[in-house]
Amino acid sequence: QVTLRESGPALVKPSQTLTLTCSFSGFSLSTNGIFVTWIRQPPGKALEWLAHIDWDGEKDYSPSLKRRLTISKDTSKNQVALTMTNMDPVDTATYFCARISRTPLGDSYHYFFDYWGQGTLVTVSS
Amino acid sequence: DIQMTQSPSTLSASVGDRVTITCRASQSITNWLAWYQQKPGRAPQLLIYGASTLQSGVPSRFSGSGSGTEFTLTISSLQPDDFATYYCQQYDSHPATFGQGTKLEIK
Repeated sequence: QVTLRESGPALVKPSQTLTLTCSFSGFSLSTNGIFVTWIRQPPGKALEWLAHIDWDGEKDYSPSLKRRLTISKDTSKNQVALTMTNMDPVDTATYFCARISRTPLGDSYHYFFDYWGQGTLVTVSS
Repeated sequence: DIQMTQSPSTLSASVGDRVTITCRASQSITNWLAWYQQKPGRAPQLLIYGASTLQSGVPSRFSGSGSGTEFTLTISSLQPDDFATYYCQQYDSHPATFGQGTKLEIK
């Protein structure tokens, strides 16, 4: 059974650094074709992809937030962390972690979010 | 970034109705498209990937179609559990992007 769960502070002050942890079970991030991603959703708004890390340790970031984000993994603990620097009230959102399991379909691979954590609401306010 | 535009933004329907939600991409994404259902306070759940492949465990009343830039999600006979917000998402190119969502309400 695949599960993911986000943890971190519910409230951060402007300019502070946010660190979130995604703890997962039911799969290994050392398995070929597995990614763990971070996605956020401001209240009442749409979803925004932030970053991912794959089984090989390769990382990718949203171009608009790249300078502020760092993603890392601890395979032995089944955890992925995301840090976001210089937090601003516009960063108030529910932050989700999700899994991608590379899936063959026809003659290609597909990369979609098949399991999600329940999300953690982060409010940025002084 | 590839822009994903859903229509309508809100849809009012009744139990038993057939409904269709449209998603348009700003450029061709072949069939690299997924659909998700999200209920208030919950994480999104995967419904469809590859534009038309139903995720395991998803009821067969859900179906997806389309390719290139225009895609649809159809629910053949609405059930009470289907009233939620639906998002499309492209994974053709980096970064992955989502539509703004379609809220399906009870009429």
